[in-house]
This record gives sequence, C-alpha cells and structure tokens, in this order.
Amino acid sequence: QKEVEQDPGPLSVPEGAIVSLNCTYSNSAFQYFMWYRQYSRKGPELLMYTYSSGNKEDGRFTAQVDKSSKYISLFIRDSQPSDSATYLCAMSGQRYSTLTFGKGTMLLVSP
Amino acid sequence: GAGVSQSPSNKVTEKGKDVELRCDPISGHTALYWYRQSLGQGLEFLIYFQGNSAPDKSGLPSDRFSAERTGGSVSTLTIQRTQQEDSAVYLCASSLAENTEAFFGQGTRLTVV
Repeated sequence: QKEVEQDPGPLSVPEGAIVSLNCTYSNSAFQYFMWYRQYSRKGPELLMYTYSSGNKEDGRFTAQVDKSSKYISLFIRDSQPSDSATYLCAMSGQRYSTLTFGKGTMLLVSP
Repeated sequence: GAGVSQSPSNKVTEKGKDVELRCDPISGHTALYWYRQSLGQGLEFLIYFQGNSAPDKSGLPSDRFSAERTGGSVSTLTIQRTQQEDSAVYLCASSLAENTEAFFGQGTRLTVV
C-alpha cells in the first residue's frame, strides 16, 4: 500500500458543477496537508495548505481534513474550464522534512 | 526573485553524458527540495536541503545523482552518465522552513536519447 492514494481520473464534469477530489493516506504522522494544481507542462501551484483536521475555505475552493479517517478532500464550487488541470495532494509530518505526494487526479471541466 | 527559477527549461542529452540542472529558490527560503516527475507518475522525492543542516539524500535513486546548495541559496542537481530512465521533469521547490508551504519552479524537462 502506498502512503498516499489518489484516483488518477480523469474526472470529467460540466461547467458549474461541484467537484470533489480526494486522497487517503496511511501514515498517521502526517499533520500538514496541501493541494497543488498542475497545468500541462507547468510546475505544481500551491492551492490550499491546512494543518491537522478541519476545513479551510478560499474563494471557490474548500479543503477538508479528517485525520481520524486519514482522508482529505478538495471541493471546487462553480467549476470553470480554466480549472481543468491535474490536482495533487501532498502531506508531511513533524518527523519528516519532505512532502509525500499522491499521483494526481486529472480534472476536465467542459464548457 | 518572485518565484522559484529553474534552468534550463528543457534539456536533451545523449545517454552517458553528465547534466547539471539549476534551481534558484525564492529569496529568504531556507528549505529547498528536488523532486522528479515521470510520465504518469506522482512526484518522487530526491533530496532536501534545510539551512546549514546535512541534506536528506534518502530519495536519490543511485550514486549517479548528486546535489549541492551553495551559500544556502542556489542548488545544482547533477546526474552523471545519464540513462534513458532518467528522462523526466525535475522540479525544484523552496519553503520558508520545514513543513511550511512549498513553492515549485516550472521544472526542467530532461530527455535522454
């Protein structure tokens, strides 16, 4: 079992839909959780950063962390074609100096 | 600079040659990471620098890979005797400190022919 599991997709939705992206993980030491968006042939761009459990909202994006279930989510409201990209979850813990990434979910939002 | 800068953006090299990839982190960021992203794969950790501490080299796939960070700023990743399986996008990231938000550069796309 990989430390971080993420469905690769692709996930296809119509414009305006609510999108739910998820990751599960196995390492209970993880306390810092991030979501990155990566457009084709570009570097990952940090979208959301959360510490421990709870919710965080930023515009159309909401990140949720449930440490008891080892499950994190990213919700995108009113999705736009410009949201079409690969979304990577990443996490790290106190004892670790590096980020462990999921493989990424490809999202396609059609007009 | 405003963001993490990597050079070159693309590199094509012949099998067996050595290559050097450069990363300029965000000014003031003490932590610097190198990752590799192969087609259809997630980001694979290579090496991590934090301030003046000894680097975490646990992700380097072989002794052909090495990296250094001079003066706590610019970093160079060197791959010796390149192999075709080294073809990937090499990404550099920096952060203010350990376990804070990491910001990525655009990457260097390495193709070994």
